[in-house]
Amino acid sequence: KAGVTQTPRYLIKTRGQQVTLSCSPISGHRSVSWYQQTPGQGLQFLFEYFSETQRNKGNFPGRFSGRQFSNSRSEMNVSTLELGDSALYLCASSPGAGGWFFGPGTRLTVL
Amino acid sequence: AQSVTQPDIHITVSEGASLELRCNYSYGATPYLFWYVQSPGQGLQLLLKYFSGDTLVQGIKGFEAEFKRSQSSFNLRKPSVHWSDAAEYFCAVGAPSGGSNYKLTFGKGTLLTVNP
Repeated sequence: KAGVTQTPRYLIKTRGQQVTLSCSPISGHRSVSWYQQTPGQGLQFLFEYFSETQRNKGNFPGRFSGRQFSNSRSEMNVSTLELGDSALYLCASSPGAGGWFFGPGTRLTVL
Repeated sequence: AQSVTQPDIHITVSEGASLELRCNYSYGATPYLFWYVQSPGQGLQLLLKYFSGDTLVQGIKGFEAEFKRSQSSFNLRKPSVHWSDAAEYFCAVGAPSGGSNYKLTFGKGTLLTVNP
């Protein structure tokens, strides 16, 4: 089976812009979650989706949003980008209780 | 709320030496525990997980971890380290988030350097 794929792998944006990141889960996985990784804060949970419904949300401002489509693919959006949003954004998918499987991440740089 | 502490930010070992990475967690119920490894520029790879049962868990790449409830610990071990094990290691605890799934809370990570 193919692993979790994320596009794009690298992205450079300027402050004030918005960005959309995409995640395709492992085939058959209906749960998708997103994490932000920075050197200072480490890995922080953003949100989790199951069957197009957001089940959990981390402590991030409303500028961070996400959604899941009927084919389980997911997108996350960050509006009005700030310098502090520069990070590696990781997507993970899960079949249920078997564990979360992570993609390679999207490296976002905000200038 | 759950939390994870990895006391060692950076560990250096010689190739062939044994390894133990420490992880302590705080969680009110029986935890789901995980170890992940991240190579530079890569995502996270699951090494092993503990849900219940046998407290000694075997994982991939020759790693194992032992769950000790009395010490709230889930330390990762490997008897003989290879140069390719150099990476950052993350311990995580899972809290139920609905259905059969759970939200992961990660420790800050331990960077492993392997000397030839």
